[in-house]
Amino acid sequence: DTEVTQTPKHLVMGMTNKKSLKCEQHMGHRAMYWYKQKAKKPPELMFVYSYEKLSINESVPSRFSPECPNSSLLNLHLHALQPEDSALYLCASSPIDRSGTEAFFGQGTRLTVV
Amino acid sequence: GNSVTQMEGPVTLSEEAFLTINCTYTATGYPSLFWYVQYPGEGLQLLLKATKADDKGSNKGFEATYRKETTSFHLEKGSVQVSDSAVYFCALFPSGGSYIPTFGRGTSLIVHP
Repeated sequence: DTEVTQTPKHLVMGMTNKKSLKCEQHMGHRAMYWYKQKAKKPPELMFVYSYEKLSINESVPSRFSPECPNSSLLNLHLHALQPEDSALYLCASSPIDRSGTEAFFGQGTRLTVV
Repeated sequence: GNSVTQMEGPVTLSEEAFLTINCTYTATGYPSLFWYVQYPGEGLQLLLKATKADDKGSNKGFEATYRKETTSFHLEKGSVQVSDSAVYFCALFPSGGSYIPTFGRGTSLIVHP
């Protein structure tokens, strides 16, 4: 199984809503990432978890709250978002202890904030 | 720090034309190099990779060779198809314990019939 599964695929939320994005992988990867991608731009790193602990937070606003409940799951909790937060949110995973290997990406959640 | 520089797009070609998308990098040590492809509305898929100097990655008719002397990893395809229309990202994974990838800006490829 070389898949990273993200749910939902599409999400429309109001600025006062609370919602969560979910990501799951069963490849035994101990690094998991959240990226934000605007149209025609490269992915921007938001958070990195290594061994289920938050290791990098790229100065992301607190309205985005990541969580890693176990080594297979990664969540992104959303609250009081702004319209400019509308984007494709990508989850990825990779091994930590093996060089020469790539990050595996999910299909993304297309988020629209209204 | 690490960086990846890609040629600006969009690149517009006719079907069966030859494709080159340039990618150069700056990194210490011996990074691994990758090309990812993103089709409209989808996530990133690994297209090919090379993990050491002079390695050639290949997949679906695409090729790229890891050139350490020129710090380059240019993507080529001999005959593009309409279905190759997508955004292509060059990326590197650093060596020496860091596992955070660095991406280029992406190059949009449009292939006309």
